[in-house]
Amino acid sequence: KQEVTQIPAALSVPEGENLVLNCSFTDSAIYNLQWFRQDPGKGLTSLLLIQSSQREQTSGRLNASLDKSSGRSTLYIAASQPGDSATYLCAASDTGTASKLTFGTGTRLQVTL
Amino acid sequence: DTGVSQDPRHKITKRGQNVTFRCDPISEHNRLYWYRQTLGQGPEFLTYFQNEAQLEKSRLLSDRFSAERPKGSFSTLEIQRTEQGDSAMYLCASSFGTGGKLFFGSGTQLSVL
Repeated sequence: KQEVTQIPAALSVPEGENLVLNCSFTDSAIYNLQWFRQDPGKGLTSLLLIQSSQREQTSGRLNASLDKSSGRSTLYIAASQPGDSATYLCAASDTGTASKLTFGTGTRLQVTL
Repeated sequence: DTGVSQDPRHKITKRGQNVTFRCDPISEHNRLYWYRQTLGQGPEFLTYFQNEAQLEKSRLLSDRFSAERPKGSFSTLEIQRTEQGDSAMYLCASSFGTGGKLFFGSGTQLSVL
C-alpha cells in the first residue's frame, strides 16, 4: 500500500525567501506525481505533474523534482510571496490505470511580510 | 469552460438522513473521481469513472455510498443513512486520459449533526 509523507507539516518564511517542500513515498512504482495547492475551505489546484520517466518540471517560480529510486519529490518555490500562503499537497498515482492518487497530509505554508 | 462544478457547496443534515451531491466535470474529460477530505488530512480516494463505467471503488466506500455517472456526463454521490463520521469535504475531480492532470471542484462540505 502506497504511503505518502510530507515534511514539514507547517512552515513560515519571510517574503522573498526561497524554500523547499519535501514529499516521500514508499512504493516507487508510480505512474506520476502531482503537486497541488489548497487554500482554506477550497478545492485543490494542480501545480505541477511529473511523469515517472521525468526528473523535474518547472512552472514560473515553481520547480518540482522526482527521484523514484529514493522515493522522494521536492517542490522548490523561488522568491516567495504572501500570495503563496496555502497548503501544498503532493500525490502519487498508481501504475497501470493511473486512476488513484494517494495524497500526503500537506505542508501549510505561511509567507510573512 | 468554467472548470469542475460541485453542488451544493455546503450541506447540513441530521444523522440518518440521505444526501446527494452533484458534480459536473470539464466537458471533454472522460475520467471523473470522487475524494473525501477531513480536516488536516489529504484527500482520500473513493471511486472513479471512465465515461459512464465505474471502474474502481475504495473500501472506504461502504454500502451506504453509491455513485453514478449516467451517460458519462455529470456524476452524483449519494450517502444513505448518514452518520456523524461521514462529515467531511467531498471533492470531485476530472481528467482526460490516463495519467492526466486532475482538476478539482471546490467541494461539498457535509456536516452531519
